[in-house]
Amino acid sequence: SQKIEQNSEALNIQEGKTATLTCNYTNYSPAYLQWYRQDPGRGPVFLLLIRENEKEKRKERLKVTFDTTLKQSLFHITASQPADSATYLCAPYNAGNMLTFGGGTRLMVKP
Amino acid sequence: NAGVTQTPKFQVLKTGQSMTLQCAQDMNHNSMYWYRQDPGMGLRLIYYSASEGTTDKGEVPNGYNVSRLNKREFSLRLESAAPSQTSVYFCASSAVSLSGANVLTFGAGSRLTVL
Repeated sequence: SQKIEQNSEALNIQEGKTATLTCNYTNYSPAYLQWYRQDPGRGPVFLLLIRENEKEKRKERLKVTFDTTLKQSLFHITASQPADSATYLCAPYNAGNMLTFGGGTRLMVKP
Repeated sequence: NAGVTQTPKFQVLKTGQSMTLQCAQDMNHNSMYWYRQDPGMGLRLIYYSASEGTTDKGEVPNGYNVSRLNKREFSLRLESAAPSQTSVYFCASSAVSLSGANVLTFGAGSRLTVL
């Protein structure tokens, strides 16, 4: 069956460091993959989208990579700030299965 | 710009009671969705509506019904609530982006507790 795996344990890093979050998927061939940010008590907010033919996408301090051979996407936040603390969700898209979300990884950036 | 508005934000029900969660979007999006979010389970799709007048089952449709009232509104109904339906419910809408992808805009969520 199709599965999306994100590290369920919180990632704690120091302010100014680079945070790297991992999303692994199985039994998928997603045409694209999206990353969302979710703050406590709020709905997810779209951050970035990367297509299967793109290796890397950047937006300000955010960078996403997509390795269709490894079936993995990495989400990087450079020069992290306490305001980046949130839960980050990955969502591979497969035309037959709509957008399906991973369980998310909670990021805590300490000053 | 309100985006996606859900009501109510909180609701407590007894087992067997019924209720409807309301959702409205003001972005002229064609597609609308209902997800539920449980700890450790991620967001799971309950029902979606690709366009006005159509609805389809998602991953976990049992125990729910939906109505796409018009292009703006998409409601989710629990006919006979069960404790297993205790969850946070999110409504979302989407339009196909310039890149051809569906990017979702979510509401703030409705926290439902079934006793």
